[in-house]
Amino acid sequence: DTGVSQDPRHKITKRGQNVTFRCDPISEHNRLYWYRQTLGQGPEFLTYFQNEAQLEKSRLLSDRFSAERPKGSFSTLEIQRTEQGDSAMYLCASSLAFATTNEKLFFGSGTQLSVL
Amino acid sequence: RKEVEQDPGPFNVPEGATVAFNCTYSNSASQSFFWYRQDCRKEPKLLMSVYSSGNEDGRFTAQLNRASQYISLLIRDSKLSDSATYLCVVNKILTGGGNKLTFGTGTQLKVEL
Repeated sequence: DTGVSQDPRHKITKRGQNVTFRCDPISEHNRLYWYRQTLGQGPEFLTYFQNEAQLEKSRLLSDRFSAERPKGSFSTLEIQRTEQGDSAMYLCASSLAFATTNEKLFFGSGTQLSVL
Repeated sequence: RKEVEQDPGPFNVPEGATVAFNCTYSNSASQSFFWYRQDCRKEPKLLMSVYSSGNEDGRFTAQLNRASQYISLLIRDSKLSDSATYLCVVNKILTGGGNKLTFGTGTQLKVEL
């Protein structure tokens, strides 16, 4: 499968625990995005990387959230001291940078987080 | 006010019907526009880009009105397989050239026999 891969697919955790999600983008894609989607809402932008550089972070990304892309390939998203409000689908997307506004993003299947 | 607004539906239509979805956006600096489709518990997938001149892809027609900040999607001869949530999306270019997609809440379509 050459699409965007996310692991795990589902994560159940207790409030206060730390969780880490992984995203493997399509191999030649240099841009990687994280989005969050709650029930009944559209996905919301969290952050994005170009190669290993994190170039933009949403105000939604509190201090408990950290994302990395150390070698410009896979990325991890860590949530510390999880809260019930963190329960959501965390989606990763990747793209190949073009000098156009019609760059196509490819989404992974997401990691569904449930915080009890 | 949300940056992208859509009627959440659901729209329940018989097979073969024509159905239209609308969306409005508030940021006049938005640079490009899309419709995405999302099936239940799946990731969103690009359906089509939207241009001011209007564009068509088979049974699907999309239109953008920049002056009114309004985007539409028309589905003709709807099929059972069209049942999904349709997300209106506007795009803004970020620092470094990345694309920030802002999604509406989605409009749910159910096509019935």
